[in-house]
Amino acid sequence: DAGVIQSPRHEVTEMGQEVTLRCKPISGHNSLFWYRQTMMRGLELLIYFNNNVPIDDSGMPEDRFSAKMPNASFSTLKIQPSEPRDSAVYFCASSLPGLAGYNEQFFGPGTRLTVL
Amino acid sequence: AQSVTQLDSHVSVSEGTPVLLRCNYSSSYSPSLFWYVQHPNKGLQLLLKYTSAATLVKGINGFEAEFKKSETSFHLTKPSAHMSDAAEYFCVVSSSGTYKYIFGTGTRLKVLA
Repeated sequence: DAGVIQSPRHEVTEMGQEVTLRCKPISGHNSLFWYRQTMMRGLELLIYFNNNVPIDDSGMPEDRFSAKMPNASFSTLKIQPSEPRDSAVYFCASSLPGLAGYNEQFFGPGTRLTVL
Repeated sequence: AQSVTQLDSHVSVSEGTPVLLRCNYSSSYSPSLFWYVQHPNKGLQLLLKYTSAATLVKGINGFEAEFKKSETSFHLTKPSAHMSDAAEYFCVVSSSGTYKYIFGTGTRLKVLA
């Protein structure tokens, strides 16, 4: 299996621009997570999907952030408009169906976002 | 409520010497515990997991961890460090019925030649 795939790996944009990050989970995994990693705050859960449905978006910082999962093999995280404080590494992770909490999450390589 | 504390933010060891990365957890329910490794500019990779089976868990690359309920600890060890072990290590707690991972703040391991 190719693992969790994220694109782009690096994104540099200017403040105010729209940014779209993409994720392809591992085939057969029904849970998908978006995380943000910064030096100051560590790893933060932004949103959790189960069977393509958003279950918990309480970690989404504000209305500028939105996430979709139109099907089992694709998800996007969009920031519009972007701000310099959004600069971070964004990770997507997926996990198998089953008893929640028991199954490990598999992480993608991340997207390093820089907003100038 | 759940929480996890990684007791050392940085650990330095010489190549060939043992590694000990410490993790304490708090959980109201039977926990699942994980150790992940993150190499520079990479994603997180699972080293090992504990989910209420054997208390001594063996993982990849020679790492192992022991679940000690009485001490609420899940320390990560390796008998002999290799240069390639230099990375950041995260201890994670979760529990049955919840999807949420609670991450520790990470321990950066440095291996000296």
